[in-house]
Amino acid sequence: QKEVEQDPGPLSVPEGAIVSLNCTYSNSAFQYFMWYRQYSRKGPELLMYTYSSGNKEDGRFTAQVDKSSKYISLFIRDSQPSDSATYLCAMRDDKIIFGKGTRLHILP
Amino acid sequence: DAGVTQSPTHLIKTRGQQVTLRCSPKSGHDTVSWYQQALGQGPQFIFQYYEEEERQRGNFPDRFSGHQFPNYSSELNVNALLLGDSALYLCASSPLGRGLSYEQYFGPGTRLTVT
Repeated sequence: QKEVEQDPGPLSVPEGAIVSLNCTYSNSAFQYFMWYRQYSRKGPELLMYTYSSGNKEDGRFTAQVDKSSKYISLFIRDSQPSDSATYLCAMRDDKIIFGKGTRLHILP
Repeated sequence: DAGVTQSPTHLIKTRGQQVTLRCSPKSGHDTVSWYQQALGQGPQFIFQYYEEEERQRGNFPDRFSGHQFPNYSSELNVNALLLGDSALYLCASSPLGRGLSYEQYFGPGTRLTVT
């Protein structure tokens, strides 16, 4: 079992829809949870980070961590075509482990 | 304020050759980490440099080596290139020794193709 599992997609949703992106993990030592956005031919850009369990909201983005289920989510409200990118989850104990990334397409 | 910069943008090498990739960290950052991102995969941690020393290393062979200079810039060297080394190589910098944290800023990467 990989330490971090993420559905690679692609995920296509219409503009304005709510997007739900998810990752599962196996290492209970992970304490920091991050979401990155990566546009084509660019480096990853940090969107959100969360320490331990709970929710965090930033504008149209909400990150959720459920440590009991070893499951994290990123929700995007009122999705826009400019949100089309690859979304990477990442987790950290003494090192950072990234998921494979989910390719998201927002259809105008 | 310039962010993290990397050079070159693209590189094509032949199996068995050696390559050097370069990274300049964001202003005010002193820690540099290198990642390999194969097509369709997430970045994999190679190693991290702080105070001109390798502080932490991922699961990569000794063919991968690095260096950090007094101005905090860094180089990644890969010897005896294999076809499987073809990937996007990302550099990330972070401030004040806070290495593997959410405060990493990534550069645009160097795309290496090994033929």
